[in-house]
Amino acid sequence: DSGVTQTPKHLITATGQRVTLRCSPRSGDLSVYWYQQSLDQGLQFLIQYYNGEERAKGNILERFSAQQFPDLHSELNLSSLELGDSALYFCASSVGTGLGQAPYEQYFGPGTRLTVT
Amino acid sequence: GNSVTQMEGPVTLSEEAFLTINCTYTATGYPSLFWYVQYPGEGLQLLLKATKADDKGSNKGFEATYRKETTSFHLEKGSVQVSDSAVYFCALSGGSARQLTFGSGTQLTVLP
Repeated sequence: DSGVTQTPKHLITATGQRVTLRCSPRSGDLSVYWYQQSLDQGLQFLIQYYNGEERAKGNILERFSAQQFPDLHSELNLSSLELGDSALYFCASSVGTGLGQAPYEQYFGPGTRLTVT
Repeated sequence: GNSVTQMEGPVTLSEEAFLTINCTYTATGYPSLFWYVQYPGEGLQLLLKATKADDKGSNKGFEATYRKETTSFHLEKGSVQVSDSAVYFCALSGGSARQLTFGSGTQLTVLP
């Protein structure tokens, strides 16, 4: 058990809908990362938050957004869903990193499997 | 940008065989390198890491050495077990947020 929790475990929804994925980092970790794992694209970095602030964006679509709350949990919002958004969405947390910090180990949650029908 | 190229799978070995999974990378600066393992239906677990050139990461009999001159971080294990069957991902940490860039993953199946 990594200490990172993600809910829900599975989500099935229809095209055009909006969903919210939730992540609680390990106790004491300030950083939350979101990754998408799909068969055609592999594992891709989406976005990172550090202590409530967005720090970096990767291959995140404009239809997707995220935020990190004062209690450090994070939510990933996916809207206008398309079939191609079906994937495993992972959250990871680490002690760092703010800008300029050395890399810290990232601990991954079990993932949320999203199926868009 | 950063990229990781990983040995194509799947790889099937008999128990107690020697394992090598090749990984090479392209990155600016001096990234940290990682191997993660994903068991069926689970999230990724950190297997080992190396943070600078010539560092050797090791864990559970697995080893990998950070080779800057060949930009490689090959994973090795001397004697695999059935329980090692999983998908293995090579990754590097880079960018301002130290986000991970992953290879495509290698599916390993170990037969008894």
